[in-house]
Amino acid sequence: GAVVSQHPSWVICKSGTSVKIECRSLDFQATTMFWYRQFPKQSLMLMATSNEGSKATYEQGVEKDKFLINHASLTLSTLTVTSAHPEDSSFYICSARTTSGADTQYFGPGTRLTVL
Amino acid sequence: GQNIDQPTEMTATEGAIVQINCTYQTSGFNGLFWYQQHAGEAPTFLSYNVLDGLEEKGRFSSFLSRSKGYSYLLLKELQMKDSASYLCAVPTDSWGKLQFGAGTQVVVTP
Repeated sequence: GAVVSQHPSWVICKSGTSVKIECRSLDFQATTMFWYRQFPKQSLMLMATSNEGSKATYEQGVEKDKFLINHASLTLSTLTVTSAHPEDSSFYICSARTTSGADTQYFGPGTRLTVL
Repeated sequence: GQNIDQPTEMTATEGAIVQINCTYQTSGFNGLFWYQQHAGEAPTFLSYNVLDGLEEKGRFSSFLSRSKGYSYLLLKELQMKDSASYLCAVPTDSWGKLQFGAGTQVVVTP
């Protein structure tokens, strides 16, 4: 199956700093990637849809200036959490859509962010 | 819009079979996904059904009836490692944005 990687797998940072998370599709091209956030024992919450070469589409209630998304190539999307605060501590997961063969979405392994 | 329903929790013993049902209401249909999510981990892809019928993949099978807005995931020969949350999801737009059900927590007991 298709492989999606995320880096880093976990990060601890101080309040007020910015953190960048990378999402890569390793063996396929993904014109569309998605960013999710999940708090403990809660459902996945979609943050934004990221299309290669264009601006991301954010879900209602997600601050686009705080969560910067860049989808510069067909295999890489990045999420930058700017001026992180403790309430941003969460599990951030990306998924990538492949349209070659079956139209399917694969998730990355997730990045656990802890803001002190 | 989409409304996706699945049971909250199911318990079964090792070696048994469990069937997780998912009903959905959608104005446009582009297939239905099943994902498995272990606690503390990201979801992993299990199946994608576009056409009616049963698709089998080893111990896991997925069934779809588009006319009834109904799908199920069948887990056979349950193993302890199958204890996880199982999510059904439906694409909601042309970009493939997924609407997820709340997930069914499957607990496998010895």
